Amino acid sequence: DAGVIQSPRHEVTEMGQEVTLRCKPISGHNSLFWYRQTMMRGLELLIYFNNNVPIDDSGMPEDRFSAKMPNASFSTLKIQPSEPRDSAVYFCASSFQGGIQGAFFGQGTRLTVV
Amino acid sequence: GENVEQHPSTLSVQEGDSAVIKCTYSDSASNYFPWYKQELGKRPQLIIDIRSNVGEKKDQRIAVTLNKTAKHFSLHITETQPEDSAVYFCAAPRDNDMRFGAGTRLTVKP
Repeated sequence: DAGVIQSPRHEVTEMGQEVTLRCKPISGHNSLFWYRQTMMRGLELLIYFNNNVPIDDSGMPEDRFSAKMPNASFSTLKIQPSEPRDSAVYFCASSFQGGIQGAFFGQGTRLTVV
Repeated sequence: GENVEQHPSTLSVQEGDSAVIKCTYSDSASNYFPWYKQELGKRPQLIIDIRSNVGEKKDQRIAVTLNKTAKHFSLHITETQPEDSAVYFCAAPRDNDMRFGAGTRLTVKP
């Protein structure tokens, strides 16, 4: 298995534009997590899914953020409209049975909103 | 979700010395405690974990200890090397909620 795959690796966009980040979890994993990492706030959990169902989105900062998991092998995190303060590294991670097994991270998407 | 407090936020040691990072959690139902290492510009990677039915686990120079009564667990790195320099994160997930501590930046000086 190639591990958790995220795309794009880097994204530079203008303020106000829509941004879509993509994630393919490890095959067979049934939990998927989206994190945002910044120097100021560390590694924040935005939302997680279990068996494709969103369980807790309390970490999503605003209504501008949304996430979907239409099937077991794909998830998206969308920001619309984007703002400069959204600039961060976004990680997707997956695990088998969530909190009782370790999570494996993708390489991350570095988002810059100018 | 579970919140964990992690200390210290930064740690600097001389090569060859030991390093200890501690995390405290609040939910007594937590039973799995992983540690992650994140090198500069890289993704966090699981380096060791422990379950609540054991008190200590070792893997070469790293070890994790768990005190369920006091609700804390610690990462121990012995004979530190420059390549151990990284940010280390702990977690105490409950159900599927994987939230991390604030991280400890470890610097190993040659």
